[in-house]
Amino acid sequence: GQSLEQPSEVTAVEGAIVQINCTYQTSGFYGLSWYQQHDGGAPTFLSYNGLDGLEETGRFSSFLSRSDSYGYLLLQELQMKDSASYFCAVRDRGFKTIFGAGTRLFVKA
Amino acid sequence: KAGVTQTPRYLIKTRGQQVTLSCSPISGHRSVSWYQQTPGQGLQFLFEYFSETQRNKGNFPGRFSGRQFSNSRSEMNVSTLELGDSALYLCASSLGDSSNEQYFGPGTRLTVT
Repeated sequence: GQSLEQPSEVTAVEGAIVQINCTYQTSGFYGLSWYQQHDGGAPTFLSYNGLDGLEETGRFSSFLSRSDSYGYLLLQELQMKDSASYFCAVRDRGFKTIFGAGTRLFVKA
Repeated sequence: KAGVTQTPRYLIKTRGQQVTLSCSPISGHRSVSWYQQTPGQGLQFLFEYFSETQRNKGNFPGRFSGRQFSNSRSEMNVSTLELGDSALYLCASSLGDSSNEQYFGPGTRLTVT
């Protein structure tokens, strides 16, 4: 079957760095994406990795290793507003996007 | 550029009824995907349309259907509503054929009583 695994919850302190991991098993792979969703809001696109390596966008970075079917989202200089759910997503060969169950990030003062 | 819009934002229906939800993608975006989000199941893929063609469908019963118009606007329909259909229905648009960057609308909160 197709699945994406990510931790259900992560807690970190303001100003710290946190890493959210995602492992996937899908039929075909056309890249790993990350989305952020605040309570009551819609998911918003954060980053995309189509090839192995690190992509950096401001305080957020995302990494992909296709040989390990693994990626992570790295959030630096955490702020209270980063408290949200983070989803990894993979697009498979059938143009279907499969989302992980989401990681709830709690940022403490 | 305006974002993805969905109407209505909230809807209350009774079991057995049917409902139609609408989505207008970002101008220039040709692909529209629909998702069901519930606390227990997360984001579940319903279907994707590109240039008026359904390219894939998720594991949902035939009561769930959709279509896309020539202006890329999309509708989804759920017939014979069940209590378990209560969820947030999200629509997302992307530029085109191989886009991995999707832009989500605010969703339609459907409650079935």
